[in-house]
Amino acid sequence: SQQGEEDPQALSIQEGENATMNCSYKTSINNLQWYRQNSGRGLVHLILIRSNEREKHSGRLRVTLDTSKKSSSLLITASRAADTASYFCATDLNYGQNFVFGPGTRLSVLP
Amino acid sequence: NAGVTQTPKFQVLKTGQSMTLQCAQDMNHEYMSWYRQDPGMGLRLIHYSVGAGITDQGEVPNGYNVSRSTTEDFPLRLLSAAPSQTSVYFCASTPRGMRETQYFGPGTRLLVL
Repeated sequence: SQQGEEDPQALSIQEGENATMNCSYKTSINNLQWYRQNSGRGLVHLILIRSNEREKHSGRLRVTLDTSKKSSSLLITASRAADTASYFCATDLNYGQNFVFGPGTRLSVLP
Repeated sequence: NAGVTQTPKFQVLKTGQSMTLQCAQDMNHEYMSWYRQDPGMGLRLIHYSVGAGITDQGEVPNGYNVSRSTTEDFPLRLLSAAPSQTSVYFCASTPRGMRETQYFGPGTRLLVL
């Protein structure tokens, strides 16, 4: 099975609601990153949290990291239709030389 | 800056044909990598380069070659295409000193018949 796995695989919410996605991983990491991918496009880096950090914020994004449980969560508050995309977590095993991506969560935000 | 560019956007190959996927970046990034994305699998690392003249294998390197003769370019060669190589291919680059944030190209969709 994969190093990083997101949960749920798909999520559908109404505009204005919060969206929470989870990521679990198996081995020790240097940092964990979240990326967004709009349909037919490349991935866009959203936020990075280091292994010694527990929570990080960026605009409407909040990321937590629990290294004891080997898990992370991404919270998008007050979601918008433009947030509709796939979201991937990526674990950095070797300071940028070995990223492992999960299969992603497909988020649909309905207007 | 154009960022990370990839060509072609879409390609159809027959089994056994060879081709090169092009990737270029104009940001003077040190680190470049190639991924393939298959449904339900996330991205898997094919090859990467930490600088001009230096390349290394990732998780799924078989059937692919790379070279890095300049900082800007990192082409991916399919030696003898197989249907299992049908996928979307992404190139990414990372700035010197910030080897933790990757900038992705728009991708190349490859279909091998």
